[in-house]
Amino acid sequence: QVQLKETGPGLVQPTQTLSITCTVSGFSLTSYYMQWVRQTPGKGLEWMGFIRSGGSTEYNSEFKSRLSISRDTSKNQVFLKMNSLKTEDTGVYYCAREEVYYGSYYFDYWGQGVMVTVSS
Amino acid sequence: DIQMTQSPASLSASLGETISIECRASEDIYSNLAWYQQKSGKSPQLLIYAANRLQDGVPSRFSGSGSGTQYSLKISGMQPEDEGDYFCLQGSKFPTFGGGTKLELK
Repeated sequence: QVQLKETGPGLVQPTQTLSITCTVSGFSLTSYYMQWVRQTPGKGLEWMGFIRSGGSTEYNSEFKSRLSISRDTSKNQVFLKMNSLKTEDTGVYYCAREEVYYGSYYFDYWGQGVMVTVSS
Repeated sequence: DIQMTQSPASLSASLGETISIECRASEDIYSNLAWYQQKSGKSPQLLIYAANRLQDGVPSRFSGSGSGTQYSLKISGMQPEDEGDYFCLQGSKFPTFGGGTKLELK
């Protein structure tokens, strides 16, 4: 069955870099777009970016300058890296799989999320 | 960016009551709209996609409707397990979420 699981540090210091890994099973990363979403107290759910099945990426302009998404298809893993962290980046970070139905796009499976606290 | 305005922000419903939650898009999203339920401490769970398609395994008391810029989620007969937060997501352009609705049992 389809599963996604995020792993990452619980605590990151301000100005440092956040690295989160999403490990998937039950499907191939070369067949689906993979999304990153975060949920913060200040802004709720925010789309951060995605990596296409072919490997190219798109980012929310809010994060574009400090966000990077990549993958290792041999390990069934997708990676999020975001630098210059601020306290406002505290929240839960999710990876999600994108599905499409006759041109309508949605996220059908989500990971459990990883809580990230930005604090010194 | 497409803005999604969701209402109401919170809602209290009695057992068996029918409720609706609305999402309005800042431009036509051509039925590219999904609804999610999120319980405390859990990840969002897909309820409805393509505006009105019920995800497998979701109870039939959930339904979605709408077109253009206006969409709604209806729960026909509130159950205790329906308590939680509800979100819409538009996928017409780069994804954006509604602000959420907190649904409680009265």
